[in-house]
Amino acid sequence: AQSVAQPEDQVNVAEGNPLTVKCTYSVSGNPYLFWYVQYPNRGLQFLLKYITGDNLVKGSYGFEAEFNKSQTSFHLKKPSALVSDSALYFCAVRGNAGGTSYGKLTFGQGTILTVHP
Amino acid sequence: DTGVSQDPRHKITKRGQNVTFRCDPISEHNRLYWYRQTLGQGPEFLTYFQNEAQLEKSRLLSDRFSAERPKGSFSTLEIQRTEQGDSAMYLCASSPPSGRANGELFFGEGSRLTVL
Repeated sequence: AQSVAQPEDQVNVAEGNPLTVKCTYSVSGNPYLFWYVQYPNRGLQFLLKYITGDNLVKGSYGFEAEFNKSQTSFHLKKPSALVSDSALYFCAVRGNAGGTSYGKLTFGQGTILTVHP
Repeated sequence: DTGVSQDPRHKITKRGQNVTFRCDPISEHNRLYWYRQTLGQGPEFLTYFQNEAQLEKSRLLSDRFSAERPKGSFSTLEIQRTEQGDSAMYLCASSPPSGRANGELFFGEGSRLTVL
């Protein structure tokens, strides 16, 4: 079984400061890891993914995430937060073990990011 | 707009009634997924189609739920004899054929169901 934990329900940060949204995972085989963002009354939007290769993944809107296999973590980061980054962020995982459906992602519970002016 | 389209966006119904949601995926995407999201939770996988074939169903999908994708294009999700516990946002997502986009899903804005 695969699972994702986002240990923080909320993250508050001042505009211009760096932000980190934490995610840890459990999966059989090598993980495929994703971050999605959800704005109010909008659908989930893809931010970035880790499939293989470089542990530091860069994505949309200046976000990046670092894959750490030993800690089974995939934390989302941004060097300088913007008020417009305020939203609900979801980490998701899919294993590559045989029989895992291509799009069967397991999502975390989400972290509300609030960036204060 | 060429994104994933869902209809209706909101549905309020009385307990025991049947409801149907429609999803139109991005046109070149052969894979289609339904997820359910309740307040304060992340989306939960319900079912997956590749073209017209339903390849996987979650145990969350009770026998009151049925999904179809008859021509491999749009999909419908029907809930029969709705219960208050069915109140949720029903999300549809699509993705292109294997090897492209590497697992990224493209989500619609969802259909919110409220069962009174």
